[in-house]
Amino acid sequence: QKEVEQNSGPLSVPEGAIASLNCTYSDRGSQSFFWYRQYSGKSPELIMSIYSNGDKEDGRFTAQLNKASQYVSLLIRDSQPSDSATYLCAVNIGNQFYFGTGTSLTVIP
Amino acid sequence: GAVVSQHPSRVICKSGTSVKIECRSLDFQATTMFWYRQFPKKSLMLMATSNEGSKATYEQGVEKDKFLINHASLTLSTLTVTSAHPEDSSFYICSATPWGNTEAFFGQGTRLTVV
Repeated sequence: QKEVEQNSGPLSVPEGAIASLNCTYSDRGSQSFFWYRQYSGKSPELIMSIYSNGDKEDGRFTAQLNKASQYVSLLIRDSQPSDSATYLCAVNIGNQFYFGTGTSLTVIP
Repeated sequence: GAVVSQHPSRVICKSGTSVKIECRSLDFQATTMFWYRQFPKKSLMLMATSNEGSKATYEQGVEKDKFLINHASLTLSTLTVTSAHPEDSSFYICSATPWGNTEAFFGQGTRLTVV
């Protein structure tokens, strides 16, 4: 069974703080990992993709992957109120995507 | 990045009627597209995989006679909700991945309300 698990939250952080979002997956055959951001009433938009162990940084976002632990995380530095959204973790196996239930993040001004 | 366009963005229909939603890949060809459904505060639920030139593959529990999928060209897939009922009201989203790419690109979504 190809499961992707996330804490549903809600996660609240003050503006300027670091938000940490976590995701675990069950299928060791997973090769590609993604974080999507979804605002209420909108479709998901890609924030980060990561394919190999370690960290990948893009601006204020850092994705971390640990295949041995089957764990992928997203750090958001200097959180802004505009970062308030639901963050979906996704795993690509073959040509199919499997999504977690999403973590709701609120950044408090 | 690749662009996927979905239309309409919102639709209200009467119970018992059918509604067609279009999903187009604007700058790439997509042999496979995916249709999702999302209820409020819930995650994406994969409904079916749309395959160009062949039958769609439906997930368990999704009625293929109710949710008709047609993928007649490499840039267009349609989802028709037949004999819609209020419980079909939801947010429907399509996605596609360009060949050689691993990322899913999503359409804007369609908010369906059945009254």
